[in-house]
Amino acid sequence: GENVEQHPSTLSVQEGDSAVIKCTYSDSASNYFPWYKQELGKRPQLIIDIRSNVGEKKDQRIAVTLNKTAKHFSLHITETQPEDSAVYFCAASTDSGGYQKVTFGTGTKLQVIP
Amino acid sequence: ETGVTQSPTHLIKTRGQQVTLRCSSQSGHNTVSWYQQALGQGPQFIFQYYREEENGRGNFPPRFSGLQFPNYSSELNVNALELDDSALYLCASSPWQSPNTEAFFGQGTRLTVV
Repeated sequence: GENVEQHPSTLSVQEGDSAVIKCTYSDSASNYFPWYKQELGKRPQLIIDIRSNVGEKKDQRIAVTLNKTAKHFSLHITETQPEDSAVYFCAASTDSGGYQKVTFGTGTKLQVIP
Repeated sequence: ETGVTQSPTHLIKTRGQQVTLRCSSQSGHNTVSWYQQALGQGPQFIFQYYREEENGRGNFPPRFSGLQFPNYSSELNVNALELDDSALYLCASSPWQSPNTEAFFGQGTRLTVV
């Protein structure tokens, strides 16, 4: 089955700096890669996603890149703000015989220091 | 448009007991997935329901079972509870427009097994 590895597990940056979180996946059939932000005690919320036919996607301060050949994808947050502090999860989704199986990474705890 | 809602929000059970968790999907969504999120970990896929049938399952034993109702709401049942079943249980709904679309999470049910 799919295996998603995520690094780093914790990340501290100064406010205004950039943050990069990296994930690798194992199943070449995975074709959808969402990123979720989970604040303490709250539900995961989608912040950006990318499909396998696209190499890069940007939404304001957030961008995601995908390298299908190397099977890795990354989240980039620029001009970080204290409210960006949360746990971020990458995920890889595969259409497995009629259902969508989503495999999550282990999470990155991002701390933005004011 | 209503979001995904789960009940109860917190629950304490004794080892060996049975538990039922409930999820109401977002309006217009006919697919519901359940996840187990242990402390400090990413969500782990349990199973997915579409049109009242289970159409995908992760690596969870048969004592984890579920139902989906005609209004697309869903239940997760866990029999013979074990201490390791203590976790946050999340459901997520999505429209079956095409494979691999955004999933919307509920706020979760925190289950503690003592």
